[in-house]
Amino acid sequence: GAVVSQHPSWVICKSGTSVKIECRSLDFQATTMFWYRQFPKQSLMLMATSNEGSKATYEQGVEKDKFLINHASLTLSTLTVTSAHPEDSSFYICSADTAGETYEQYFGPGTRLTVT
Amino acid sequence: QKEVEQDPGPLSVPEGAIVSLNCTYSNSAFQYFMWYRQYSRKGPELLMYTYSSGNKEDGRFTAQVDKSSKYISLFIRDSQPSDSATYLCAMTGGYNKLIFGAGTRLAVHP
Repeated sequence: GAVVSQHPSWVICKSGTSVKIECRSLDFQATTMFWYRQFPKQSLMLMATSNEGSKATYEQGVEKDKFLINHASLTLSTLTVTSAHPEDSSFYICSADTAGETYEQYFGPGTRLTVT
Repeated sequence: QKEVEQDPGPLSVPEGAIVSLNCTYSNSAFQYFMWYRQYSRKGPELLMYTYSSGNKEDGRFTAQVDKSSKYISLFIRDSQPSDSATYLCAMTGGYNKLIFGAGTRLAVHP
């Protein structure tokens, strides 16, 4: 099956600093990648959709200047949390679709961000 | 009203039981239906994918979609302790944006 990786798997940073999270599709090209946020015991909340070579589309209520998304290639998307604060601590998960006529999304293992 | 409703559980069953997980939805435009399994602190894993109404079987797992009732189900036969996880339903009408249910936490005890 399609494999999506994320790096790092866990990161701790100080308040006010920025953190970059990478999402890679390892064995397929992903036209579209998605970034989700998940709080403990809650479902996934879509933050933004990114297409290779174009600006990301953010969901309502998500600050695009705080959560910078770059989709530089068909296999790599990055999420940068700028000026992180403790309330940004969460589980961030990316996914990628395999294009074509299906809508199967394959998820990465997630990145746990803790802001102290 | 949420677009997708899913009972968060928890659901506790003995090993070997048949598990039934369900979601209801309100948007008749949904055409693609997925079930994901998520272990604690891991990303969701795609289990089943169904287009429109009907049944789909894969090993111990069976997915059913009833579009007339806006109701989808996932059945797990001969449940195992390793099936203990959170099961998320997800659906979309197109354009790749998935709408997730809240997830049902399942515990299968020996």
